[in-house]
Order: sequence, then structure tokens, then C-alpha cells
Amino acid sequence: DADVTQTPRNRITKTGKRIMLECSQTKGHDRMYWYRQDPGLGLQLIYYSFDVKDINKGEISDGYSVSRQAQAKFSLSLESAIPNQTALYFCATSDGFGTGELFFGEGSRLTVL
Amino acid sequence: GQQVMQIPQYQHVQEGEDFTTYCNSSTTLSNIQWYKQRPGGHPVFLIQLVKSGEVKKQKRLTFQFGEAKKNSSLHITATQTTDVGTYFCAGPMDSSYKLIFGSGTRLLVRP
Repeated sequence: DADVTQTPRNRITKTGKRIMLECSQTKGHDRMYWYRQDPGLGLQLIYYSFDVKDINKGEISDGYSVSRQAQAKFSLSLESAIPNQTALYFCATSDGFGTGELFFGEGSRLTVL
Repeated sequence: GQQVMQIPQYQHVQEGEDFTTYCNSSTTLSNIQWYKQRPGGHPVFLIQLVKSGEVKKQKRLTFQFGEAKKNSSLHITATQTTDVGTYFCAGPMDSSYKLIFGSGTRLLVRP
């Protein structure tokens, strides 16, 4: 089983719908991240959490919210999805020592019609 | 704001040719990381460079961190079809622990 698991892997929805992407990890890491990937734009940080009580905005947080339900779980919500939020979303984790390597989930492909 | 830029955006090579991707930051970085993303896959960590002028090798891959710690490069010697993918560099944002990723270089290898 994957150390960082994302659900759903693929989702098609309509404009205005609420969507939640979930991430769970078995690596025991404190730090969790949500990134968005668009073709040719690399990975952009949406939100990150360094522990259960710590939530921080990244580069592109507008239109998104997150919840850290437990050390192992970090979910990303789109309260009212819009077409330009169509993208590939990655959850990642890292340990608590400096700028540690990121361990990515398999990704969640979201299409907003 | 802080930016991390990568060139080229694409590189199409014949198998056996060398390949280099370059990463440049608008600010000095405490360290730089490199990731590889295979087509349809997720980014996978390759290496982290910390010291000014550092050079590290992994088989056919050579990673360099510039003396000013504002640029880095990844060189692949004698590319193979297994090298296909997108290579990203990433550096800490604003002296924090958040990583900013470059836009990536997509490598295609003709067999």
C-alpha cells in the first residue's frame, strides 16, 4: 500500500459544487502539504500544515480550504468549484527536520465543467 | 515575489545523448532539491544539495549547486528511455520550510 494515499483519484464535477479531496499517510510525518499542478506551471503550494493545530496558506489559497483532522489526515476542499480549478492535485508529507524531502501521493485529477 | 525558474521547458534527445536542465532562483537558497515525475506519475525525490558549489552524482546523473546558491543544474550522461519524465527543482520559500517548485523540464528520449 502507498504511504501517502489520495482519494478520489479522479473526479468530474460541475461549477458551483463542493468538492473534498482527502489525503492520508502512514509515514508518521508531522508536515503535510497540498499542491496543485497545471501543465507547464510546475507545482504550486495551496496550503500546508506543520502539525495538527497548524494550518497555513501557500501561494494560491484563494478558493480553497483545508482541514487537518489528525496527524495522518489532511483534506482539501473547494467550497464552490470553478472551471479554472481543473488541475491535478497532489498531497505530500515531510518529516519535521528542516526542509526535508517531500513524499507525494499518487494525485487527484479534478475536472470542473 | 520569490521565483524559481527552469530552462529549457522541453528537451527532445536521441537515446545516448546528454541532457542538462538549469534552475535559477531570484534569491539565495539554503538548499535545493530535485524531483523526477514520470508521465502519469507523481514527483519523486532525487537529491538535495546544501553547500555552495556542491556536486553530487547518482550513476549517470550529476547535480550541481552554484557558488552563490542561486542556481543549480542536473546533467544526465548518455540518456536512456527510462530517463523520460519531467524534472523539477525546488527551493525553500522565504527562508522557510515551504518549497517553491520550478516549472520543470520535460525530457523526451527517442529510442
